[in-house]
Amino acid sequence: KAGVTQTPRYLIKTRGQQVTLSCSPISGHRSVSWYQQTPGQGLQFLFEYFSETQRNKGNFPGRFSGRQFSNSRSEMNVSTLELGDSALYLCASSLSHYQETQYFGPGTRLLVL
Amino acid sequence: SQKIEQNSEALNIQEGKTATLTCNYTNYSPAYLQWYRQDPGRGPVFLLLIRENEKEKRKERLKVTFDTTLKQSLFHITASQPADSATYLCALPNTGNQFYFGTGTSLTVIP
Repeated sequence: KAGVTQTPRYLIKTRGQQVTLSCSPISGHRSVSWYQQTPGQGLQFLFEYFSETQRNKGNFPGRFSGRQFSNSRSEMNVSTLELGDSALYLCASSLSHYQETQYFGPGTRLLVL
Repeated sequence: SQKIEQNSEALNIQEGKTATLTCNYTNYSPAYLQWYRQDPGRGPVFLLLIRENEKEKRKERLKVTFDTTLKQSLFHITASQPADSATYLCALPNTGNQFYFGTGTSLTVIP
């Protein structure tokens, strides 16, 4: 089976812009979670989508949003980018909600200038 | 709120020795704990899961212990090899598929 794919892999934006990142889970997986990873804060949970519904949300401002499509692919959007949004954004897929094992994609490296 | 601490940000050991990484947590009683490996520029890869009623779990050269009284997990790599050099993360489950991650320990195995 193909693994989790994320596009794009690298992105450079300027402050105030918005960005959309995409994640395709492993075939058959219906849950997609998003994480932000920075050197100072480590991996922090953003949100989880299962069956096109947001099931959990981390402690991030409303500028961070996401959605999931009927084919389980997910997108996350960050509006009004700030310098502090520079990070590695990772998505993880699981078979369903409340799964113990999640499989991470390679991440999207976002740099905000 | 939950807090997860992993020992020293960086750990250097000689090839062939046993590497021991520590994960301590507070304000939490997880049903299980996970360990991941992350290589530079890549996403974390799941290694092992240990449940609260298990004292020890092994997988090839890896061994994990879980002490719910001390709120601590130890992760051992025996007969370490340069290919084991990576960052190792511990993770605790919250609700659903939300996990709390430690900041990781960067392990370097010196030939």
